Amino acid sequence: GAGVSQTPSNKVTEKGKYVELRCDPISGHTALYWYRQSLGQGPEFLIYFQGTGAADDSGLPNDRFFAVRPEGSVSTLKIQRTERGDSAVYLCASSAGRGAGMKQYFGPGTRLTVT
Amino acid sequence: AQSVTQLDSQVPVFEEAPVELRCNYSSSVSVYLFWYVQYPNQGLQLLLKYLSGSTLVKGINGFEAEFNKSQTSFHLRKPSVHISDTAEYFCAVSGDSNYQLIWGAGTKLIIKP
Repeated sequence: GAGVSQTPSNKVTEKGKYVELRCDPISGHTALYWYRQSLGQGPEFLIYFQGTGAADDSGLPNDRFFAVRPEGSVSTLKIQRTERGDSAVYLCASSAGRGAGMKQYFGPGTRLTVT
Repeated sequence: AQSVTQLDSQVPVFEEAPVELRCNYSSSVSVYLFWYVQYPNQGLQLLLKYLSGSTLVKGINGFEAEFNKSQTSFHLRKPSVHISDTAEYFCAVSGDSNYQLIWGAGTKLIIKP
């Protein structure tokens, strides 16, 4: 079946611009996660949705970052006034339900480059 | 706060030799432990996980890991590696009260022919 998909696969933008990154989770998965992976590092948690609501947004670095999941499936990560330090691979994952040990299925990521 | 340490950024090993990738975590509460693999140009895939029960966990592609609570370790092992195992391996932890994964920095497994 279809896995987690993310679009675009690559995004190059200028400093100060606004970007949106999209995640399509596996159909029926209620939990959705966003992570950010900088070069040479492991992924870093950003935000977790259970259904339509953000259950934990403690990883968002500042108020330039925002994410939505209005219908409980597709999610969009929005970054305002991008900075060069935002350059990273943004990963989305989904899981079948809530629970700390649930397997997370990852998308291929969106590589964001801010010039 | 939880943290994960993968001491080796790269591990070179000859094909058909055994390998161990090290992972240590710090947490004062119950943890769930994971190993994920990222093949070149692909997304992260779950290799194996420890939730409870037997401390020796078997995963896909012949990998296994052992949970050692006293040493707070979860090292990944394979008795004989193949060229297709070339990838980056990440150790991660989550706890009872949080669903997010906390990740190590990753270990690149380099297979020498």
